[in-house]
Amino acid sequence: DAKTTQPTSMDCAEGRAANLPCNHSTISGNEYVYWYRQIHSQGPQYIIHGLKNNETNEMASLIITEDRKSSTLILPHATLRDTAVYYCIVRGLSNFGNEKLTFGTGTRLTIIP
Amino acid sequence: DTGVSQNPRHKITKRGQNVTFRCDPISEHNRLYWYRQTLGQGPEFLTYFQNEAQLEKSRLLSDRFSAERPKGSFSTLEIQRTEQGDSAMYLCASSPDRGTYEQYFGPGTRLTVT
Repeated sequence: DAKTTQPTSMDCAEGRAANLPCNHSTISGNEYVYWYRQIHSQGPQYIIHGLKNNETNEMASLIITEDRKSSTLILPHATLRDTAVYYCIVRGLSNFGNEKLTFGTGTRLTIIP
Repeated sequence: DTGVSQNPRHKITKRGQNVTFRCDPISEHNRLYWYRQTLGQGPEFLTYFQNEAQLEKSRLLSDRFSAERPKGSFSTLEIQRTEQGDSAMYLCASSPDRGTYEQYFGPGTRLTVT
């Protein structure tokens, strides 16, 4: 799976949009971009994933650049409960193999009241 | 609650003792994963099951570690002769074997070896 690069930490004011960048310049054509987050002392929580089109769900939006070498996770109206470590993961899919998620150290997002 | 459950949530043991953790996945999920997470790091993959078959094991899974999923439902992770370096959060996740295979994680078991 391709390697990802994320900033170590970010702050965002409560109520504002939080934009979390991720670089994945070696991504290959069949690899998806996944985002998970981990709130302190809990297991990681799936947020969203995408291949090449922008995606939106009830939690967040995912913007993937046209060349797919980077992406941005957007939390439109951040709340204090969004304080967490956010992981960007690139993952290929097949029936067998490439099943594991390879986590980096993620971005520690702190929402400021 | 229909999410992934793990027991116990916390375990303190003395070095050299054996410990066993249990994971109950989401009921319709055929795939089950174990990860380990140490302080300040992201989770690291340990092993993966498709139904009862263990299909991949990480080099992190030393001979002292064994995982089973006997009937393709719940899974156990056993650590024999625990060492202080085994202290970590042990996470279980499950996913369906179709679609884009999102993994859903349990709350983890925090192991402290004294």
